[in-house]
Amino acid sequence: DAKTTQPPSMDCAEGRAANLPCNHSTISGNEYVYWYRQIHSQGPQYIIHGLKNNETNEMASLIITEDRKSSTLILPHATLRDTAVYYCIVRVVYSWGKLQFGAGTQVVVTP
Amino acid sequence: EAGVTQFPSHSVIEKGQTVTLRCDPISGHDNLYWYRRVMGKEIKFLLHFVKESKQDESGMPNNRFLAERTGGTYSTLKVQPAELEDSGVYFCASRQGSMNTEAFFGQGTRLTVV
Repeated sequence: DAKTTQPPSMDCAEGRAANLPCNHSTISGNEYVYWYRQIHSQGPQYIIHGLKNNETNEMASLIITEDRKSSTLILPHATLRDTAVYYCIVRVVYSWGKLQFGAGTQVVVTP
Repeated sequence: EAGVTQFPSHSVIEKGQTVTLRCDPISGHDNLYWYRRVMGKEIKFLLHFVKESKQDESGMPNNRFLAERTGGTYSTLKVQPAELEDSGVYFCASRQGSMNTEAFFGQGTRLTVV
């Protein structure tokens, strides 16, 4: 699976949008972009995934560039409960589902 | 619907002892995964079951680790004998059979070997 690069940390003000970037310049055409997060002392939690189109669900939006070499996870209205480590993971379509976690981005939402 | 459940939540054992971690996946999920995070490191894959069969155990660190999933329901991960470097948080995840569904993780078991 392709490697991803994320900033180690970022801060966000409560109520504002949080935009989390991820580079995956070696992504292949048969690889999805997945986002998970881990809130302190909990297990990782699925957020969203996409192949090439932008995706939105109740938690977040995922914007994937046209060349698919990077993506942005958008938390539209960050709350204090969104403070977590966010992981951008690339995974082969129709694979057995093994996830390769990197270091992720520590997001701190401040009042 | 119950999520992925792991027991115990914490375990403190002495070096050389045996510990068994248990994972109850979401009912009906054929895929079960074990991951762990040791101190200061990233979350790493250990192994993957499809029903009762081991699909991929490439992440198992050594033969002191034994995972089982009898009957394709719950799974156990035994560490025998435990070493200091085994300390960390062990996560279990489960996923439905379809290839592109998301994985649901348990809260983890924090293992401390002293």
